[in-house]
Amino acid sequence: DAGITQSPRHKVTETGTPVTLRCHQTENHRYMYWYRQDPGHGLRLIHYSYGVKDTDKGEVSDGYSVSRSKTEDFLLTLESATSSQTSVYFCAIRAGGTEAFFGQGTRLTVV
Amino acid sequence: DQQVKQNSPSLSVQEGRISILNCDYTNSMFDYFLWYKKYPAEGPTFLISISSIKDKNEDGRFTVFLNKSAKHLSLHIVPSQPGDSAVYFCAAWGGGADGLTFGKGTHLIIQP
Repeated sequence: DAGITQSPRHKVTETGTPVTLRCHQTENHRYMYWYRQDPGHGLRLIHYSYGVKDTDKGEVSDGYSVSRSKTEDFLLTLESATSSQTSVYFCAIRAGGTEAFFGQGTRLTVV
Repeated sequence: DQQVKQNSPSLSVQEGRISILNCDYTNSMFDYFLWYKKYPAEGPTFLISISSIKDKNEDGRFTVFLNKSAKHLSLHIVPSQPGDSAVYFCAAWGGGADGLTFGKGTHLIIQP
């Protein structure tokens, strides 16, 4: 499973509240990614990191921020959650240059 | 504009037969292609990949074919088994993007 743990696995939150999702890896991979999966859209890249404190935006980054203070942890923050951010969020690491492995996902519901 | 397209939302195949899942892409700068399998409530699982300089890669029951001139790749599963029922995603590295670019997925259903 490439040593990727996402937490929490499920969360229900209210509109306007801040939410932080955590991705933890145990294998010191440099590249980490946050994706969201929505019906009819496949997986879309939110943000990614190429090292400690090195992050950049992906395709659907509006409303999200990330931080990576340690190699093993990549945090995704919704500063003020909206209903459009109800989704399943996946963290991934890039291994061996060409393969990416995913965590189990976090199902987030914003009510 | 979607750069990786999986035009069949679902596919039903009889157990023991061959399953063929198709994927088309528009960005000629993609340099590596991957297939993922996803069960409900789980993360995508890597299946098989192929470099843009190759036209075929095989791993057990799974074979991926790449036709660069047609910008088309396909995943063949033979023989199909009940556990193969899942959503399959085609994805690509490169093309100016910083992460994998995914198709929308094809739901494969293996009928007994």
